[in-house]
Amino acid sequence: AIRMTQSPSSFSASTGDRVTITCRASQGISSYLAWYQQKPGKAPKLLIYAASTLQSGVPSRFSGSGSGTDFTLTISCLQSEDFATYYCQQYYSYPPYTFGQGTKLEIK
Amino acid sequence: EVQLVQSGAEVKKPGESLRISCKGSGYSFTSYWISWVRQMPGKGLEWMGRIDPSDSYTNYSPSFQGHVTISADKSISTAYLQWSSLKASDTAMYYCARHAGRTGTTGNWFDPWGQGTLVTVSS
Repeated sequence: AIRMTQSPSSFSASTGDRVTITCRASQGISSYLAWYQQKPGKAPKLLIYAASTLQSGVPSRFSGSGSGTDFTLTISCLQSEDFATYYCQQYYSYPPYTFGQGTKLEIK
Repeated sequence: EVQLVQSGAEVKKPGESLRISCKGSGYSFTSYWISWVRQMPGKGLEWMGRIDPSDSYTNYSPSFQGHVTISADKSISTAYLQWSSLKASDTAMYYCARHAGRTGTTGNWFDPWGQGTLVTVSS
């Protein structure tokens, strides 16, 4: 199975900050990567697919980049509603589809 | 609106059986795979398996193969996740999620997700 490793696992930031979360695959996955946001007690929500395509309705302050093994999710100007846990997911090779362990973004 | 609605929370004892459901609406149910994802308390997301509702073909994660059964009834646009003998370690939130692309495409990211079904197994 392809292992997805996110960094950091958690960190604190302030509204207005620019933040970047990294996701690394244990082998090349081309651009077959999605990003999700999960808030406490809620289901995950799709943010980005195909590594860099913004899902309809997602604010443009979210962006994704990368291909192969290294990917990033960037939030250009943090808003209060962005404090949540973020997951990457590869869909290049299955079964199984695999997720990163999550990155919890907290308010500083 | 494309929507997945899951059945309600369950409290069970070890050794009991259980089936939870996921009803799709707003789209052609047989045209998109459905996956199940586990989230144990305070933990991350784990893909369990998927089903093609058109023919009930399934794939499972090796971690879940033999422990759960995924099925579907296309006549009522509903997918199921089933246990024959629950363990305390099955306590978790379970989500169903639709694959974003039609079957046979590479659109295997998940959107939308159901609201989740909390399963608690305790003696």
